[in-house]
Amino acid sequence: DVKVTQSSRYLVKRTGEKVFLECVQDMDHENMFWYRQDPGLGLRLIYFSYDVKMKEKGDIPEGYSVSREKKERFSLILESASTNQTSMYLCASSFLKGDLDTEAFFGQGTRLTVV
Amino acid sequence: AQSVTQPDIHITVSEGASLELRCNYSYGATPYLFWYVQSPGQGLQLLLKYFSGDTLVQGIKGFEAEFKRSQSSFNLRKPSVHWSDAAEYFCAVVPSGAGSYQLTFGKGTKLSVIP
Repeated sequence: DVKVTQSSRYLVKRTGEKVFLECVQDMDHENMFWYRQDPGLGLRLIYFSYDVKMKEKGDIPEGYSVSREKKERFSLILESASTNQTSMYLCASSFLKGDLDTEAFFGQGTRLTVV
Repeated sequence: AQSVTQPDIHITVSEGASLELRCNYSYGATPYLFWYVQSPGQGLQLLLKYFSGDTLVQGIKGFEAEFKRSQSSFNLRKPSVHWSDAAEYFCAVVPSGAGSYQLTFGKGTKLSVIP
């Protein structure tokens, strides 16, 4: 079974703190993604990575950065957390698109509250 | 602009009734199409996917979806809903001409099931 594991299910942080959300996958997937999910807005892509040390901005990268030092791990960083970053964060991974019959696998999510 | 639309924010059906959730996309070429389900407090689970070939796709949990190119639609159906189907459902696409595997989601349809 493919497993995408997010390090925390729930986090509460203070405004201005630096926050790290960690994600690990065990299927040797090239692609990894960070989404945030808000009611009525669906899932919006923050950043993705298609290789170690590579990253691409998604639709809403402002206020976030990412790190991918190893293939299996993709970290989302909030440099200075703000209350409008209170949300559910979902990590996903997949093989590279191509001729492969592929899909994205999701972690359980981290519900972050910034107070 | 490219987009994925789920017109229904919330649907309520009786247990045992049939279900259809709508999804329309706006892309230049036929994208890869997916339906995901999210139970409360959980990550996303893939129900089914369409890449090419037979336009009627069977998925898990008794769900199916039909791709209609002329209508740019990929509607999800189930003949008889069970109480455990109460969840939020997301339609997603990956543009077939895109250089990377990047899911774009609709805003979701929340399904409630009444006894």
